[in-house]
Amino acid sequence: GAGVSQTPSNKVTEKGKYVELRCDPISGHTALYWYRQSLGQGPEFLIYFQGTGAADDSGLPNDRFFAVRPEGSVSTLKIQRTERGDSAVYLCASSLRPGQGLEQYFGPGTRLTVT
Amino acid sequence: QQQVKQSPQSLIVQKGGISIINCAYENTAFDYFPWYQQFPGKGPALLIAIRPDVSEKKEGRFTISFNKSAKQFSLHIMDSQPGDSATYFCAARGTGTYKYIFGTGTRLKVLA
Repeated sequence: GAGVSQTPSNKVTEKGKYVELRCDPISGHTALYWYRQSLGQGPEFLIYFQGTGAADDSGLPNDRFFAVRPEGSVSTLKIQRTERGDSAVYLCASSLRPGQGLEQYFGPGTRLTVT
Repeated sequence: QQQVKQSPQSLIVQKGGISIINCAYENTAFDYFPWYQQFPGKGPALLIAIRPDVSEKKEGRFTISFNKSAKQFSLHIMDSQPGDSATYFCAARGTGTYKYIFGTGTRLKVLA
């Protein structure tokens, strides 16, 4: 079946602009995660959704970052007033309901470049 | 701050050899330890995982060894193949949370 999809695959934006990154999880997966992966580093946790609510947003670096999942499926990561330091690959992952499985399935990521 | 330290940063192994990657964590507040494989341009994919009540888990050519007292765990890839060339990440999940902490990665190259 279809895996986790993310759009766009690449995004180039100017410093100070607003960007939205989209994640379509695997159908039926209630848990959704966002990570940021800088070059040569491991994924860094940003936020976790269980259903529509953000169960843990402790990884969001500051208030310029915000994520939503209004219907419990698709999620959008929003970054305001982008900075060059925001340049990274943003990964989305989904998994079954807690208690049914822990495996996270990752999407291919969105490469964000802030010029 | 919770951390997972991974070594080595890069590894070159001959085809058929054993690849060993190590990770260490600094506190005991983790309850699930997965290893991920990542190819360029792709997201990480789960390879194998272990819980702290088990000392070893084997799946095919991949084995996790877990030493709870030393707070260390390692990935062994037996009979390494050129197709195993990728970046490998260890991770740990905070107990009672769904927050995963990842290591910094090991770039493995298996020579044909």
